[in-house]
Formats: sequence, structure tokens, C-alpha cells
Amino acid sequence: SQQGEEDPQALSIQEGENATMNCSYKTSINNLQWYRQNSGRGLVHLILIRSNEREKHSGRLRVTLDTSKKSSSLLITASRAADTASYFCATPRSSGNTPLVFGKGTRLSVIA
Amino acid sequence: KAGVTQTPRYLIKTRGQQVTLSCSPISGHRSVSWYQQTPGQGLQFLFEYFSETQRNKGNFPGRFSGRQFSNSRSEMNVSTLELGDSALYLCASSSDRSGNEKLFFGSGTQLSVL
Repeated sequence: SQQGEEDPQALSIQEGENATMNCSYKTSINNLQWYRQNSGRGLVHLILIRSNEREKHSGRLRVTLDTSKKSSSLLITASRAADTASYFCATPRSSGNTPLVFGKGTRLSVIA
Repeated sequence: KAGVTQTPRYLIKTRGQQVTLSCSPISGHRSVSWYQQTPGQGLQFLFEYFSETQRNKGNFPGRFSGRQFSNSRSEMNVSTLELGDSALYLCASSSDRSGNEKLFFGSGTQLSVL
């Protein structure tokens, strides 16, 4: 069953613009992760934010987490054509020793 | 350090056949997870192995099975293939015991069932 749900499903922007993707989840979590997937390839881990963190940065990426609203956002600043990919949020299925459950992703297209 | 290696990269089978997919995790990683990805269902968790033991299992029929060897390499098997089994099968490894740390994914095996 889905734990995280990304919004929007698809996003198209011009190079240089910022891209924001959102993720909502259902149960309490101890961490939330974002991954990127280029077409037909494996996923690449981007960033992990723990439940006691509110914001985290990595290069042009900024992730926020609001545990009261059970939501997270991924911001990509100054986007490039190479950022074109699908982006997924992932959370543990439940507490304890549990696998990651992925949303269906946001498909980002950056037009040069 | 070599990444997660999945073989084969592409596979074409017919209904009723069986298939075995292989995954070699990053050296030192003892947890291996398998996911099925389809356009309609997204990424669905199949199972996870840690130190040769199945630690978690997803909601898939018994036709889907897996195992892990003492060197942490893992295989998954699908018997009596159905058209709906066509998907990208992804393997991911992790060093973590808790299952809550980041995953390193292979490039996947694209399975087509005709």
C-alpha cells in the first residue's frame, strides 16, 4: 500500500526556474527520503531527513519536513535540463524494522 | 567501490515460463531488497533479505520467491509467468540493520512477458 504520495504527478518548467515537489504520508515516521530516477534506470538517493529535522540542504536541493502535517517538500533551485527525471519520496512502512515504501513519483521535465 | 549489479539487464519470456534474476550488492552490504516497478502501480516492495534471512515480505503471490547467499548476493525467482509480471525489477542494498537508512539501487532488470 502507498505510504507517500507525491504532488504534482508531472511538472514542466524552463531551465533556470525552481521546481517544487510535495509529498504527503499517512503514518508516523522516523525519516523520509527522496530519490531520483532517470527513465528506465535505478533510483538514486538524494537526501534523507529525520523526524526531528525541519529542513535539510544538499547543493541545489532543499528538503523540508512538517511532521504535524505529515508532509515534505523537495525544492530544486536553478534547474537544469539534466534534472529531468522522476522524483520519489519514500518512508518506512511502519515503525521498527521495516522496508521503504515509495510514492508514485513526480515526473519533472526541464526545458532548455 | 562497485555499485549494485543486476543481471540480466533485459529479459523476454513467455507466459508460463519461470525466470531468475540476480543481484550483487555493494561490498559489505548485508541487506538486499527487491522492488517491482510498473507504470500503473509504481514501486511495489517484494521482499528484503538480511544475512540470508527474509526479514520482510510484500503482498505478492507465492510465485515470487527469493533467497540470499552467504556472500550477500541475492536472487529472485518468478514461476509460471503472467503477462502482468512485465515490469522493471529493482534490487537495492543497504548496510543498515534497521532497514531505515538509504538504499543503493541497481539499474534493474526489464522483464517482458509475451
